[in-house]
This record gives sequence, C-alpha cells and structure tokens, in this order.
Amino acid sequence: ILNVEQSPQSLHVQEGDSTNFTCSFPSSNFYALHWYRWETAKSPEALFVMTLNGDEKKKGRISATLNTKEGYSYLYIKGSQPEDSATYLCALEGGTSYGKLTFGQGTILTVHP
Amino acid sequence: NAGVTQTPKFRILKIGQSMTLQCAQDMNHNYMYWYRQDPGMGLKLIYYSVGAGITDKGEVPNGYNVSRSTTEDFPLRLELAAPSQTSVYFCASRNRDTNEKLFFGSGTQLSVL
Repeated sequence: ILNVEQSPQSLHVQEGDSTNFTCSFPSSNFYALHWYRWETAKSPEALFVMTLNGDEKKKGRISATLNTKEGYSYLYIKGSQPEDSATYLCALEGGTSYGKLTFGQGTILTVHP
Repeated sequence: NAGVTQTPKFRILKIGQSMTLQCAQDMNHNYMYWYRQDPGMGLKLIYYSVGAGITDKGEVPNGYNVSRSTTEDFPLRLELAAPSQTSVYFCASRNRDTNEKLFFGSGTQLSVL
C-alpha cells in the first residue's frame, strides 16, 4: 500500500492570506500526481494532473509544483477567499500498480472573512 | 453527456443484507474506480478496473465484489453488510490513455444498522 501523506491536516487562515500545503509520496515508480478540491456535500473536482519532475501548473489563484525525485508536491493558494474553504486532496499514481490512484487524507482549509 | 451516474443516492441496510451500488459512465472511459470516504482518512480505494473484464483490488476490498462486463458499467456489490461499511461511496472514471483527471459520481450514502 502506497503511503501518501498530506500536511497539515487542517488550516485556518484569514481572507487575503496566501497559504500552501504539502503532499509527500514515495519517489520510486512514479506515474502521476493529482490534486482535487472537495467541498462539503459535493464530489471531488480535479485541479491538476502532473506527470513530470519540475511541473508547475496554475489555475487562477491556485498553483502547484511537483518534485518527483524527492517525493513531494506543493499546492499554493494566493489571496485566499472564503469560497476556497474545502478539503484539498492529492492522489498518487505509482508503485507497482499502473492506473491505481491512492489518495492522501486531505488538508481541510477554512478561510475566515 | 451525463458523466458518471451513481444510484441510489441514499440507502439504509440491516446487518447481513446485500445490495449493489450502481455506477455508469457515458464518456467511454477505460478506467473506473470505487472509493469510500472514511472520516479523517480521505478516500480509500476499494476496487478498480482498467477495462471491461479486468478488475483489481484496492486498499480496502474485503466485504465487497465488483464486475465490469461492459465499458460503461461498474457495479459494487456488498454481500453481507456490516456496520463498518457505513460510509459514503464514490464511483469515478477517467481516460488513462490521455492521463486525464478523475470524474466523480455524486456519491451514495450508505448506513448499515
């Protein structure tokens, strides 16, 4: 079983703050790293899929970076807004099972007005 | 396109009963997945399928069975329901050939009493 760890577990910030979270994973046999945004009572929605070491992706105020050699990815949110409050999940495709996506436990972000 | 359709949305089972959670996608995706949401643990993979006729176990397969007779459908069967299977279940699919993101269904909330 792949060990995908996210930190911190939860985060409270004020509106306008910038923030970032980490996803750590085993660096061997890497295929892809996904980030998802999951609002309460909804289904997860994809933010990014990254496959190459050094990949950087951006969508509005949210961006992500990937380091496959050391086994981590960072998700950044610039100028947090209350509507950014959600659980952010990363998922790793790697190890011995091609196609299998293993999720971390998530980072719960709360943005206070 | 309807995307990924899950039925039912809610269900209450008695201990020992059986049921099938239905999942269908109309995007011609080759890969399909079943996850369960465990509090504080993110999403745990139950089973996945890389194409019709091919399935494989995820992290928590015990107590569940799957089949994939067509590209579109990926039902999840609970044979002898136990309280530990109380959870929210998500079906998801993607086109692995283009390294696409996961598309999720709306979830099935299951309680076993």
